[in-house]
Amino acid sequence: DVKVTQSSRYLVKRTGEKVFLECVQDMDHENMFWYRQDPGLGLRLIYFSYDVKMKEKGDIPEGYSVSREKKERFSLILESASTNQTSMYLCASSLSLEQFFGPGTRLTVL
Amino acid sequence: RKEVEQDPGPFNVPEGATVAFNCTYSNSASQSFFWYRQDCRKEPKLLMSVYSSGNEDGRFTAQLNRASQYISLLIRDSKLSDSATYLCVVLNAGNNRKLIWGLGTSLGVNP
Repeated sequence: DVKVTQSSRYLVKRTGEKVFLECVQDMDHENMFWYRQDPGLGLRLIYFSYDVKMKEKGDIPEGYSVSREKKERFSLILESASTNQTSMYLCASSLSLEQFFGPGTRLTVL
Repeated sequence: RKEVEQDPGPFNVPEGATVAFNCTYSNSASQSFFWYRQDCRKEPKLLMSVYSSGNEDGRFTAQLNRASQYISLLIRDSKLSDSATYLCVVLNAGNNRKLIWGLGTSLGVNP
């Protein structure tokens, strides 16, 4: 079974803090993705990566950056958290088209 | 017009009912289509891919209508455990690995 794990299920941070969300997959997948999911807006792609040290902007990259130093790990970084970044963050990985998701991190920025 | 549109519902049906959802997509060059299922407070999981010829997996049938640019999902003999949000997903024709996600259709199956 593919397993995608995320470092935290729930996280509370203050405005202006730097936030790291970690994602690890154990199936040697090339592709990894970060989404956020909000009511009424659905899943929106923030960043994705098709290879180590490679990253591409998704639909809403502003305020975020990513790091992929190892194939199995894809980190999402909020350089200076803001209240409008309160959301559910979902990481996914894939070999071809089917994406496998982690359980999500519910981030609250106060 | 949104790239992928779904009726948000909710659809509330009794156990044993047959229910169908449609999803329309705007890009006629879209290549691949999927239905994902998302349970409350859980991550999305692939339910089934949608093939041109239509495909069936147990009580679930998915169909593609390219002429009218929609896909459908039919659930027969609904179970309580089918209660979830069903997400329509389309592969963006302009980028082979970027998926476009619908907002989902909420289904509640009642005893």
